[in-house]
Amino acid sequence: EIVLTQSPGALSLSPGERATLSCRASQSVSSSYLAWYQQKPGQAPRLLIYGASSRATGIPDRFSGSGSGTDFTLTISRLEPEDFAVYYCQQYSSSPLTFGQGTKVEIK
Amino acid sequence: QLQLQESGPGLVKPSETLSLTCTVSGGSISGNIYYWGWIRQPPGKGLEWIASIYYTGTTYYNPSLKSRVTISVDTSKNQFSLKLGSVTAADTALYYCALSVGAYYNTWFDPWGQGTLVTVSS
Repeated sequence: EIVLTQSPGALSLSPGERATLSCRASQSVSSSYLAWYQQKPGQAPRLLIYGASSRATGIPDRFSGSGSGTDFTLTISRLEPEDFAVYYCQQYSSSPLTFGQGTKVEIK
Repeated sequence: QLQLQESGPGLVKPSETLSLTCTVSGGSISGNIYYWGWIRQPPGKGLEWIASIYYTGTTYYNPSLKSRVTISVDTSKNQFSLKLGSVTAADTALYYCALSVGAYYNTWFDPWGQGTLVTVSS
């Protein structure tokens, strides 16, 4: 099983700042089969990024994903008020499909 | 646009079986590249994939839950279902159904249902 470790656990930033979230895999994620989701309180997760760097439909370009192998990054270039949420990575390279434990981006 | 909606009892007694259904609207559950999955999230915790199914009935399970889980599909009703047996308090969670699009079940999930909270308690 591929274990995904996200860091930091929480990030305190102000609107307009840049957020950099990390997702590290316990073994290589082949073909960059990694996705990122955003979850707000009381809502289901929303797909942001798939294939490590492809934005899902309707996702603003301030969200970008990068990385390969075991190290992946989600960057939010300029935080908007609606971006404060919990972010999860998910690998779909091998079974079982697994998620990271999440990074909470909170308002400073 | 496909939409998913979970339904089922919100309270299940320990040792009994949790049963949930996901109803798909806005499209057919029998899409060639559609796989249908269940994911759960204990209160305040992270996400865990439970199982996925193709409309033909081919199933894929998380080994950690496989012995207790059955996923099934009813194409006539445009629904798929989850059964989790011998539940304990550790199975208390928000249960989501979701769509995976791709040549195989191992892809990302989009969209998701709104989720349904299942509490295991006597």
